Amino acid sequence: GAGVSQSPSNKVTEKGKDVELRCDPISGHTALYWYRQRLGQGLEFLIYFQGNSAPDKSGLPSDRFSAERTGESVSTLTIQRTQQEDSAVYLCASSFAARIQYFGAGTRLSVL
Amino acid sequence: GENVEQHPSTLSVQEGDSAVIKCTYSDSASNYFPWYKQELGKRPQLIIDIRSNVGEKKDQRIAVTLNKTAKHFSLHITETQPEDSAVYFCAANLGGGGADGLTFGKGTHLIIQP
Repeated sequence: GAGVSQSPSNKVTEKGKDVELRCDPISGHTALYWYRQRLGQGLEFLIYFQGNSAPDKSGLPSDRFSAERTGESVSTLTIQRTQQEDSAVYLCASSFAARIQYFGAGTRLSVL
Repeated sequence: GENVEQHPSTLSVQEGDSAVIKCTYSDSASNYFPWYKQELGKRPQLIIDIRSNVGEKKDQRIAVTLNKTAKHFSLHITETQPEDSAVYFCAANLGGGGADGLTFGKGTHLIIQP
């Protein structure tokens, strides 16, 4: 079946603009995660959605970052007033009860 | 919150030799420890994982060991091959409270020398 799908694959934006990144999880996966990976660095946890529970937002780096998910479907990560330090690959992952997380290919965000 | 330390940052081994990557974690409530392999420009792929009720797990040339008391876990790759060259990340779940987000180590760049 289809894996985790992210769009766009690449996004170039100007400093100060807002961007919206999309993630389509694997069908039936109840949990969805967003991570950030700066060039040559590890993966930084941002936010976690589990079913209809309140999301765990503990990893969001500032109030410019927000994410939404409707039910157990698509999620969007929004970054407002982008800064150059926001440049990174944003990875989405989804999982079912077994906790094995399957990653999408990521969105490479470049803020000029 | 959870803190995961990973060593070494770079590891170069001769083809056919073994490679060992070590990680430590800080949150004693963590109970799930996956390892991901990330080839250049690609998404992380799970290669093996271990839960805290098990001390060792093997899958062909790959094994993971867990020492809960010392809060460290290791990845062992035997008979390394060129296709093993990649960045490997260890991770631990945030533990307790039902949160399943992972905290990752900074990664180990494994280089297999022919």
